[in-house]
Amino acid sequence: DTGVSQNPRHKITKRGQNVTFRCDPISEHNRLYWYRQTLGQGPEFLTYFQNEAQLEKSRLLSDRFSAERPKGSFSTLEIQRTEQGDSAMYLCASSPFPRAVPLGKPIYFGEGSWLTVV
Amino acid sequence: AQTVTQSQPEMSVQEAETVTLSCTYDTSESDYYLFWYKQPPSRQMILVIRQEAYKQQNATENRFSVNFQKAAKSFSLKISDSQLGDAAMYFCAYRSASEDKIIFGKGTRLHILP
Repeated sequence: DTGVSQNPRHKITKRGQNVTFRCDPISEHNRLYWYRQTLGQGPEFLTYFQNEAQLEKSRLLSDRFSAERPKGSFSTLEIQRTEQGDSAMYLCASSPFPRAVPLGKPIYFGEGSWLTVV
Repeated sequence: AQTVTQSQPEMSVQEAETVTLSCTYDTSESDYYLFWYKQPPSRQMILVIRQEAYKQQNATENRFSVNFQKAAKSFSLKISDSQLGDAAMYFCAYRSASEDKIIFGKGTRLHILP
């Protein structure tokens, strides 16, 4: 088990361009989360999936953001028409969710994908 | 809405000494979970310790322990015998028993002085 993997780790893009980040969760983890973290701040929840179903989206996730998890394994987060305010680290996390286990199980984070919009 | 507040943006402690990081939270729920996560520079976030709100006993993991005061909605982290490798951002986090997202505080940057 290699942990949560994210790529690319760093992306510099010009304002107005589209970017896509990929997250490969820990195998057999059916919950997958996306968070955004700016410098000096804690992670802010964006969205999460149970298998391929997107169960919740934060108000932070504007129309320019879309996340998918088509086969219930890896996920992509796409940002269209990037703005300078999108510059942040995008964190992916996963957790198991068998019904018998309470929600006290932690989530496991990847190393994040840094986005710089210039 | 639930909120998590960490009032200490930065702290420093001498190596081998003990330090306590503060965290308060606001919720109207009675069943929830609290976490402390550590984020070393340029490295991924890892779980340090977890506390279930229904448990009165404070959680302990080796040199890390918490002081959970449910009535006061306080959840502080104590690090004993501080080591250089403890230098990191520490995030306090809350997870409702009825929802699945984790809410984080803004973090406390901990410096370890040799």
